[in-house]
Amino acid sequence: GAGVSQSPSNKVTEKGKDVELRCDPISGHTALYWYRQSLGQGLEFLIYFQGNSAPDKSGLPSDRFSAERTGGSVSTLTIQRTQQEDSAVYLCASSLPPGLMYNEQFFGPGTRLTVL
Amino acid sequence: SQKIEQNSEALNIQEGKTATLTCNYTNYSPAYLQWYRQDPGRGPVFLLLIRENEKEKRKERLKVTFDTTLKQSLFHITASQPADSATYLCALDRGTYKYIFGTGTRLKVLA
Repeated sequence: GAGVSQSPSNKVTEKGKDVELRCDPISGHTALYWYRQSLGQGLEFLIYFQGNSAPDKSGLPSDRFSAERTGGSVSTLTIQRTQQEDSAVYLCASSLPPGLMYNEQFFGPGTRLTVL
Repeated sequence: SQKIEQNSEALNIQEGKTATLTCNYTNYSPAYLQWYRQDPGRGPVFLLLIRENEKEKRKERLKVTFDTTLKQSLFHITASQPADSATYLCALDRGTYKYIFGTGTRLKVLA
């Protein structure tokens, strides 16, 4: 079946604008993650969704960042009043619930966000 | 807090040789340690997982070792090929859902 998809692939915005990034996980994957990867850096955990449980938002860098997951499937990461330091690649990953198999994460291709 | 160290310098090796990449961590021993491959402009792709009670895991030309005493994992690619050129990331999991990723090591296999 299809892998994790993300849209848009590239987003250029002006400082102060709001942006929405979308993630479609693999069907049947109840766990969904958002990461941020800045140039030359590792993946920075942002938020985790598991089924209907309350999400773990502990990685969100500021209150300008929020995410939701509708119907246990599609997720949207919203960044309000974007700043230049928000420029990065935003990666989404999905996996089977923790405890099953290897907890292998399947990543999408990412959205490259550039804030001018 | 847990820190992961991967050699930030690129590793260049000759085709056919064995590439060895290092992942060091500083705090608790993870329940699982994973290795991912990332190509430019793409998301990481899972390669191998090793559990805390395992010393070694193999998959085709790949081998991962895990030394909880040294707090280190080694990732080996034998008979390396130019197509193996990529960035390789290690990720630690305490057995919960939250992963900590290293910054990755860029490998270039020269033909």
